[in-house]
Amino acid sequence: QQQVKQSPQSLIVQKGGISIINCAYENTAFDYFPWYQQFPGKGPALLIAIRPDVSEKKEGRFTISFNKSAKQFSLHIMDSQPGDSATYFCAARNNAGNMLTFGGGTRLMVKP
Amino acid sequence: DAGVIQSPRHEVTEMGQEVTLRCKPISGHDYLFWYRQTMMRGLELLIYFNNNVPIDDSGMPEDRFSAKMPNASFSTLKIQPSEPRDSAVYFCASSLSSGSLEQYFGPGTRLTVT
Repeated sequence: QQQVKQSPQSLIVQKGGISIINCAYENTAFDYFPWYQQFPGKGPALLIAIRPDVSEKKEGRFTISFNKSAKQFSLHIMDSQPGDSATYFCAARNNAGNMLTFGGGTRLMVKP
Repeated sequence: DAGVIQSPRHEVTEMGQEVTLRCKPISGHDYLFWYRQTMMRGLELLIYFNNNVPIDDSGMPEDRFSAKMPNASFSTLKIQPSEPRDSAVYFCASSLSSGSLEQYFGPGTRLTVT
């Protein structure tokens, strides 16, 4: 019930391409869906987040698409750059508390 | 603000020894979270506190793990006795209860138990 499933586990994209990472959840009590970016040797850092009353949120090259009925959300990275190479985690927050459940992570490599 | 501070950054210990990891949250944050990250299990929430009170410790793997938050600016995660399977990166994160829900992560402590 608390699980968040993330795919793919790894992704290789050419510079300038679009990176797409998908997540699915089951718990309808989730009310906040952030994406975190983690570079090697660092802690995760918030990249972008969305609430379920919005179907899309865009910040620069990063866009979250949210499908409430399908219980799915995705991260799109436009014009992917080598500096975007990192591990990306989707997460979901239960409205009964302040804890996040994280997806398994996607290791993105953007080739120059 | 310096962000979330964790110490030590690296810890190597022998099986059976006690390990204590430390965390200083961002000043003013009233939530503190302890996570464990491994290749096999990803990022797992171990325990979290609100206003220094443990709220949910269901993620603590077993009685060998304990966490305390004696005041708003300090928390510890203790493993006693440590085992090789405890080897992981342990992260502390903090957040506010209102406004932005962002959790700010520390740099992590890489624990190796031999």
